[in-house]
Amino acid sequence: GESVGLHLPTLSVQEGDNSIINCAYSNSASDYFIWYKQESGKGPQFIIDIRSNMDKRQGQRVTVLLNKTVKHLSLQIAATQPGDSAVYFCAENMIGGADGLTFGKGTHLIIQP
Amino acid sequence: EAGVTQFPSHSVIEKGQTVTLRCDPISGHDNLYWYRRVMGKEIKFLLHFVKESKQDESGMPNNRFLAERTGGTYSTLKVQPAELEDSGVYFCASSPLGGTSAYNEQFFGSGTRLTVL
Repeated sequence: GESVGLHLPTLSVQEGDNSIINCAYSNSASDYFIWYKQESGKGPQFIIDIRSNMDKRQGQRVTVLLNKTVKHLSLQIAATQPGDSAVYFCAENMIGGADGLTFGKGTHLIIQP
Repeated sequence: EAGVTQFPSHSVIEKGQTVTLRCDPISGHDNLYWYRRVMGKEIKFLLHFVKESKQDESGMPNNRFLAERTGGTYSTLKVQPAELEDSGVYFCASSPLGGTSAYNEQFFGSGTRLTVL
């Protein structure tokens, strides 16, 4: 079936640098995308979302980019901090949907001092 | 306000035994979801309740898994009999029903780590 996947399982960056986490999706019908952060021992925590009628959305230190042409989603984290170390998942859903989310495999972001 | 809570946080059982996981959603949230993450793989949707009714159980792996939400409040997920491949982290999430938002954020619990030996 269709799924959302990630290019890199592990990403290591220096503290203070910017990081980019990528995600490819295959379901062209998806119109809503979410990034979640999961810290050790905790459940996934919502970071930022984007609708398919947008190509960029910014939050506090985070930016999500959506390229519908190539079905690609990315999460940019500016000036990474130790607290950013976590596994990041992209997920998809439908506008207005209360459906179950489809998650990618996750990228483990490691912040080096 | 309390978040989504799950019990137990960890469970270690032997193959063939029965385990029941519990999820208490955020008060007032009619949508309740169960997910599972097997080691090294993505988080997979299992099923979705709207109040006490099963809206979508397409992700349930087999009939050894039984989810209930009597009264539309807390939910239980029973695995009987447990197999080795059932090991993983089981997450519960909840969200409000309806509203003006185009998307209702799903709030996740910390999960139950199940180990089947």
